[in-house]
Amino acid sequence: DVVMTQSPLSLPVTPGEAASISCRSNQSLLHTNGYNYLDWYLQKPGQSPQLLIYLGSNRASGVPDRFSGSGSGSDFTLKISRVEADDVGVYYCMQGLQTPLTFGGGTKVEIK
Amino acid sequence: QVQLVQAGAEVKKPGASLVVSCKTSGYTFTSYFIHWVRQAPGQGFEWMGVINPSGGSTVYSQKFQGRVTMTRDTSTRTVYMDLSSLRSDDTAVYYCARVRSGEVSGYRTFLYWGQGSLVSVSS
Repeated sequence: DVVMTQSPLSLPVTPGEAASISCRSNQSLLHTNGYNYLDWYLQKPGQSPQLLIYLGSNRASGVPDRFSGSGSGSDFTLKISRVEADDVGVYYCMQGLQTPLTFGGGTKVEIK
Repeated sequence: QVQLVQAGAEVKKPGASLVVSCKTSGYTFTSYFIHWVRQAPGQGFEWMGVINPSGGSTVYSQKFQGRVTMTRDTSTRTVYMDLSSLRSDDTAVYYCARVRSGEVSGYRTFLYWGQGSLVSVSS
């Protein structure tokens, strides 16, 4: 199975500041079709997860442009340019290259 | 609008079987795969498997092979996940999720999620 490792585990941020979350896989997530099969999800307290970024760097519809995804192969980053109070929750990366699909352990973002 | 509606909470005894339903609406049912993912209390996510509502073909995680069965009813636009021989560590919230696209680039990205079904396994 592909192992997904996220860091940090917890990320206290001040509103208006930038935040960055790392996601690494033990295998390349680059498909032969050129896509990196790496998605980012946010699970707000008490809610189902919501898609933020798909295929490494594509923002899902309705996601503010404060969120951006980058990286390729086995090293990916989610950046929030200016954190808002509504961004609190647990962020997960997930690989979709091979089954079983696997998730990172999550990064809890909280406001200082 | 796209909706995935799941049944509410259930309590099961060890050894029993569980069926979780996921009723869909707002899109062409047979055009998008449905995945099942679970989340144990305070834990991360675990992928269980996927069903193609068009023909009913499935792919299961090896971890659940032999215990899980995913089916669909095209007349009611509902997908079912059946998990047998329940254990206490099957206690979790079970989610169904529809993929972003029917194309290869989107068939493993979860764009729409159900609200989750909390299943507690306890004697």
